[in-house]
Order: sequence, then C-alpha cells, then structure tokens
Amino acid sequence: EAGVTQFPSHSVIEKGQTVTLRCDPISGHDNLYWYRRVMGKEIKFLLHFVKESKQDESGMPNNRFLAERTGGTYSTLKVQPAELEDSGVYFCASSPRPGQGPTGELFFGEGSRLTVL
Amino acid sequence: GQNIDQPTEMTATEGAIVQINCTYQTSGFNGLFWYQQHAGEAPTFLSYNVLDGLEEKGRFSSFLSRSKGYSYLLLKELQMKDSASYLCAVRRSGGYNKLIFGAGTRLAVHP
Repeated sequence: EAGVTQFPSHSVIEKGQTVTLRCDPISGHDNLYWYRRVMGKEIKFLLHFVKESKQDESGMPNNRFLAERTGGTYSTLKVQPAELEDSGVYFCASSPRPGQGPTGELFFGEGSRLTVL
Repeated sequence: GQNIDQPTEMTATEGAIVQINCTYQTSGFNGLFWYQQHAGEAPTFLSYNVLDGLEEKGRFSSFLSRSKGYSYLLLKELQMKDSASYLCAVRRSGGYNKLIFGAGTRLAVHP
C-alpha cells in the first residue's frame, strides 16, 4: 500500500513568488492534515480536511496560504506571495475516518522543504 | 491553550536503555502519541496511550499518567539506528485526530 506522498520534496523560490505543494494521502483516508515545521520549532498544525471540506483551518498563518482538496482526494497548499518566514518543511498527513483503526494515528509524508530567498 | 515539553537532546550508548520524558498541559485530553523521525524522513508512529499505565511494544514502551500530565518513551537495547528525533504529540478531545506536537527530542546513540 502506498503511503502519503508529497511533491516537490524541495522547492527554492524568491520572496514574492508563488509555490504550490501537493499531497496525495493514503487511498481511502478521509482525513487530510497539513502541518509545518520551521527551523528549530515544533511541528505546527495548519489545517484539516474531511474529504473535500475544511474541518479546521485555525492554524493557517494568514491569507497568503490557500489549501484545497477538490474531489476529496489529493490536496494542494499554495503560498502566494511567499515571504522569508514561510521557509520550513510542510508535512501532510492522513488518517482514516474516526473509529477505523485502533488508535487513529496519523500517517505522515516525508514533507516538502520550502526555502524562500 | 496547550503546552508540550520534552528535552531537546539526549545521548545514550548502544545496548543501553534511555527514557525520554514529555510533560503536557492541555484542555480536553484524548490520547498521547509518540512518533520517530529520522532526518529528512516522515514521522512514523511508535506508540499511543489514552489510559494510565504502560504500553509495551517490543523494545519500545510508553507510559502515561493523565493526572500528572506526563508521559515517557522507554527505549531498550539501543541500536545505532535508533538515533532520531522522538516527537511527543497530544490529541485533544473533539479534535478529529488533530495532534499538537512538542518540539521533539534528538537522540544520539553512540557505540
């Protein structure tokens, strides 16, 4: 079974440019999460989709960040325009519906490293 | 709000035992998770505690005390490949599996 995949693995852009990160969750997982880790800090929650609906977007830093999950499968996270402080590793995770699986753990992708110069 | 604290770094010797502590303060607790993350890789699930006590899984065990807001991850018979970051994460009730992470503990295992 394929795990959570993210693309690109690394992106280097200049301040003011746009970047779009993609996440393909594990097939059949209704829940999809975006997290971000900036240098030396903890992994922080950005938002959560249940299928195509945004369940919780309380962690989104500002309106330069736009996440979508059209059709309830893969998701994209767009940063426009990018700022220096947006640099970090963006993780995507997925989990099945509540009640499926013994613990409800999240399955993470390897992350997309974003460097804004 | 919520606050999760764990040591930044630890070192240990191959074959030894190491305990990584995690303390948390949160409203509405619904489980504590430990993840392992090797550099440049995805965090991978290690253990889950929702009730007080010890959960054992091979060389790894995790303990939880809800009244004290405290957990630890115990790694036995350390191997070089155990060198990684260990992430403590708390799930809040009603949070649809949303996890709040600590900053992680970098463990270095030496021969």
